[in-house]
Amino acid sequence: AQSVTQLGSHVSVSEGALVLLRCNYSSSVPPYLFWYVQYPNQGLQLLLKYTSAATLVKGINGFEAEFKKSETSFHLTKPSAHMSDAAEYFCAVNGNQGGKLIFGQGTELSVKP
Amino acid sequence: GAGVSQSPSNKVTEKGKDVELRCDPISGHTALYWYRQSLGQGLEFLIYFQGNSAPDKSGLPSDRFSAERTGGSVSTLTIQRTQQEDSAVYLCASSLTRQGVDTQYFGPGTRLTVL
Repeated sequence: AQSVTQLGSHVSVSEGALVLLRCNYSSSVPPYLFWYVQYPNQGLQLLLKYTSAATLVKGINGFEAEFKKSETSFHLTKPSAHMSDAAEYFCAVNGNQGGKLIFGQGTELSVKP
Repeated sequence: GAGVSQSPSNKVTEKGKDVELRCDPISGHTALYWYRQSLGQGLEFLIYFQGNSAPDKSGLPSDRFSAERTGGSVSTLTIQRTQQEDSAVYLCASSLTRQGVDTQYFGPGTRLTVL
């Protein structure tokens, strides 16, 4: 069985500050992990994904995430927040056999000027 | 190239009516997924299709929900006798194959409101 927990349903940062969105997963098989972003009234857009090639994954828009097996975590970070980063972020897990993604509950990021 | 498209973008219906939601996946993608996004339940898997294999219907919430995929391309999600709790955004996604490593690309969604 697989599951994802995102700590914090709402995160607020100031423009230029570090962004840290937390994701912990549970998986009985080696996981593939994804971060998606959803802007208002839009679908989900892939930010980055972990496929076991490298533990530090760089994505679009300056985001990156580090896979830590010992902590079962895949936290999303960005060194300096922009106003345009305000959106909802979803962490998701999949397994070797693929199929459905299991999503976390999402974290809404607000960026203050 | 073109992404995943869904129609209609918005649908308002009366309780008890049937609705059909359409998804056009990315050309060449063999796997197609339906998810539902609602305030109380987050993002839930509904059903997925992979090539000519039997679909995985394990996420369908009731027998009022059904889906088909014709010719390995376009998919239609049908909800019969709609209820107010069916109000949600229905998202479609497609991927090259069903392998876990493959990225699922999402459409913009259909917002369903049941009055």
